[in-house]
Amino acid sequence: ETGVTQTPRHLVMGMTNKKSLKCEQHLGHNAMYWYKQSAKKPLELMFVYSLEERVENNSVPSRFSPECPNSSHLFLHLHTLQPEDSALYLCASSQSASGGVRTDTQYFGPGTRLTVL
Amino acid sequence: GDSVTQMEGPVTLSEEAFLTINCTYTATGYPSLFWYVQYPGEGLQLLLKATKADDKGSNKGFEATYRKETTSFHLEKGSVQVSDSAVYFCALIQGAQKLVFGQGTRLTINP
Repeated sequence: ETGVTQTPRHLVMGMTNKKSLKCEQHLGHNAMYWYKQSAKKPLELMFVYSLEERVENNSVPSRFSPECPNSSHLFLHLHTLQPEDSALYLCASSQSASGGVRTDTQYFGPGTRLTVL
Repeated sequence: GDSVTQMEGPVTLSEEAFLTINCTYTATGYPSLFWYVQYPGEGLQLLLKATKADDKGSNKGFEATYRKETTSFHLEKGSVQVSDSAVYFCALIQGAQKLVFGQGTRLTINP
């Protein structure tokens, strides 16, 4: 596998379910991101991990819980979601320069299409 | 804060037509600029980028020039193909800040 992979590609869940999205990057990067893409809205940055530490959380509801166990893997744990959370969830990675400053090019996975019933 | 504005879509062209998708930005410093493309059912792919004024990014026949004086990064292609049908996103990043995207422009190329 090369690049950034995401599983599952499609997920349908009820509002009471608990599920997790997985992202894996094979680029040797050390920063990873979760984005949300809803219809007719710009992409929204949700979380940033740099060197496996969360460095940004853009006021995301607590029903979304990220986890970054190592520099190659990123998870988004989902529980008690709402129908308005239905969207395409995109993972991305990039390479930080020394000192934790991220370089600019982010590489994206194919996304997980989430539908909340 | 930093922002990116793209021309509204959808844009529909015939095959072999000339394409321009306008993008302007607002930023306090000197951002890097990007065009990403999203084909149906897929994630975003980096199409091209430019990191400083007057740089020209190019890939797959697409080009965009970083114009600091007009704060623009318009995407152009001389002869589009049906396979270019996708959503195109202009974006910027500055230093350690987050990637800021435009709203996207849907392009449809008819045979």
